Amino acid sequence: DTAVSQTPKYLVTQMGNDKSIKCEQNLGHDTMYWYKQDSKKFLKIMFSYNNKELIINETVPNRFSPKSPDKAHLNLHINSLELGDSAVYFCASSQDPARDSSTDTQYFGPGTRLTVL
Amino acid sequence: GQNIDQPTEMTATEGAIVQINCTYQTSGFNGLFWYQQHAGEAPTFLSYNVLDGLEEKGRFSSFLSRSKGYSYLLLKELQMKDSASYLCAVMDSNYQLIWGAGTKLIIKP
Repeated sequence: DTAVSQTPKYLVTQMGNDKSIKCEQNLGHDTMYWYKQDSKKFLKIMFSYNNKELIINETVPNRFSPKSPDKAHLNLHINSLELGDSAVYFCASSQDPARDSSTDTQYFGPGTRLTVL
Repeated sequence: GQNIDQPTEMTATEGAIVQINCTYQTSGFNGLFWYQQHAGEAPTFLSYNVLDGLEEKGRFSSFLSRSKGYSYLLLKELQMKDSASYLCAVMDSNYQLIWGAGTKLIIKP
């Protein structure tokens, strides 16, 4: 059974295009995240949603917009793609960390490798 | 600012022991996590420490000293499959995870 799934796994596109990455979790978690991991392997938090409400919005360009139709899904839309957007994007989920951080393990999806040409 | 420091790369021999250190400066502390990430794969949870001391889980142990802002991950009886990056992450007062850049561990036969 897949806990956190992302589609697509690989995405190759041209500069200027608009693309979306989908994420779904079947763990019943309240919180979902989007991370960007660049070539230097640094994981950077982009967004966090708790029960469909945005609770963290790091300083990412407004070309990136998260959309959460329900608490099991958090999709990432990217407009006007740029070369610097090439990276691996990870979706993750956890229970509400404010409720009990001792059990707040984040479970990661397999990642989406985005290449912008 | 918030900061997590860990060595960029370490090399060890199969069957040996290796210790990966992590120091942190964060606004508040709600626990420290270690994750393992194999090349091309997602990070997976290894351990969680919130109180000072050593947590042992099989071949892996994690230690925390809150007063020193310091943790280490100890891997015993190293196996080739332990070759991976090991990520240290601290949960701050806003319950946000602050991630280190990861330590790439290379195991040699």
